[in-house]
Amino acid sequence: SQQGEEDPQALSIQEGENATMNCSYKTSINNLQWYRQNSGRGLVHLILIRSNEREKHSGRLRVTLDTSKKSSSLLITASRAADTASYFCAPTGANSKLTFGKGITLSVRP
Amino acid sequence: NAGVTQTPKFQVLKTGQSMTLQCAQDMNHEYMSWYRQDPGMGLRLIHYSVGAGITDQGEVPNGYNVSRSTTEDFPLRLLSAAPSQTSVYFCASKPSLGTDTQYFGPGTRLTVL
Repeated sequence: SQQGEEDPQALSIQEGENATMNCSYKTSINNLQWYRQNSGRGLVHLILIRSNEREKHSGRLRVTLDTSKKSSSLLITASRAADTASYFCAPTGANSKLTFGKGITLSVRP
Repeated sequence: NAGVTQTPKFQVLKTGQSMTLQCAQDMNHEYMSWYRQDPGMGLRLIHYSVGAGITDQGEVPNGYNVSRSTTEDFPLRLLSAAPSQTSVYFCASKPSLGTDTQYFGPGTRLTVL
């Protein structure tokens, strides 16, 4: 299984600060995706990084991937209260079936 | 496009009752899947389908049946509900097995008494 393990389990920051979330996995992957889940809602895709990429940006999101360490990090810059949500990583292997870890609960205080 | 829709939003069942959770997508996606989300457990894959007429088991298939007679619909059946099936259920789809980004429905919150 390519299930990712997110760290920390919970993160609380002040609005305007940066939030860094980490993901580790155990097997080789084709890509790694990050999803966000707002309270009571389904997951929404944020960003995908392929195994041959080291860094990718999308708006205030920056994701890095280190395949030698089997780890990824998601950085949200200049956080806003609306970023309060749970974040999940999904390392995806050849079978392309997405599996998810327990997620990270991010709280951004106004 | 409505995307992925799920009905009902909430459901309460008694132990032993049966019911079907509905999932539909209007994006012509071949791949559809069902997850359950429990506190502290993340999302776990129940069943998935790579196209009409084809289904397969995920991590936690016991107690659940699925069928895929059309591209649009992928219902999840609980034949005899148990309290352990109390959970939030999410349906998701993507264009095909080989594509990456998955689109999720809003979820069904099921309580089994």
